[in-house]
Amino acid sequence: DAKTTQPTSMDCAEGRAANLPCNHSTISGNEYVYWYRQIHSQGPQYIIHGLKNNETNEMASLIITEDRKSSTLILPHATLRDTAVYYCIVNNAGNMLTFGGGTRLMVKP
Amino acid sequence: GAVVSQHPSRVICKSGTSVKIECRSLDFQATTMFWYRQFPKKSLMLMATSNEGSKATYEQGVEKDKFLINHASLTLSTLTVTSAHPEDSSFYICSAWEIGRSTDTQYFGPGTRLTVL
Repeated sequence: DAKTTQPTSMDCAEGRAANLPCNHSTISGNEYVYWYRQIHSQGPQYIIHGLKNNETNEMASLIITEDRKSSTLILPHATLRDTAVYYCIVNNAGNMLTFGGGTRLMVKP
Repeated sequence: GAVVSQHPSRVICKSGTSVKIECRSLDFQATTMFWYRQFPKKSLMLMATSNEGSKATYEQGVEKDKFLINHASLTLSTLTVTSAHPEDSSFYICSAWEIGRSTDTQYFGPGTRLTVL
């Protein structure tokens, strides 16, 4: 599986957009970009995934660069409940996911 | 989205006892489930891949005789920690791929916190 690089931590003001970057320069053509988050003492929660097109759902938007070497997860209006560790993972569907360190997002009032 | 459940959510046991953790896919079938372990302030580490109707595949360093996995049906996988010791205390999380609907997504259970005294 391709490796990803994410900042260790980020802060965001409540109500503002949170933009979480992820580098995956060794991604292969058939690998998807998945985003999960983990709130303390809970299992990871699926957020969104994409292959090469930008994606949006009720939780977030995913912007993937044209060369697919990086992506950004956007939480449009962060709330305190969005405080969590966010994991960017690249993978083929059906395989086990390899978790890196993720980004610890702190949403502040 | 699809739902994966785990039972129990929390268990405390004495050293030397065995503990069984159940993982169920509630509204989809999963031929493959995964078991992860997470220590405090660490990321999830894959322990094993559970395959319905066949033997599990264990990651390097995970003792298959200590962590028994049974995937007897398309909606249930169990992890049994045999002769648990305090160093087995951890957060155990299962996951399953929902494949075949509009999107291929892996969903995780809520986790089971094991404390071995």
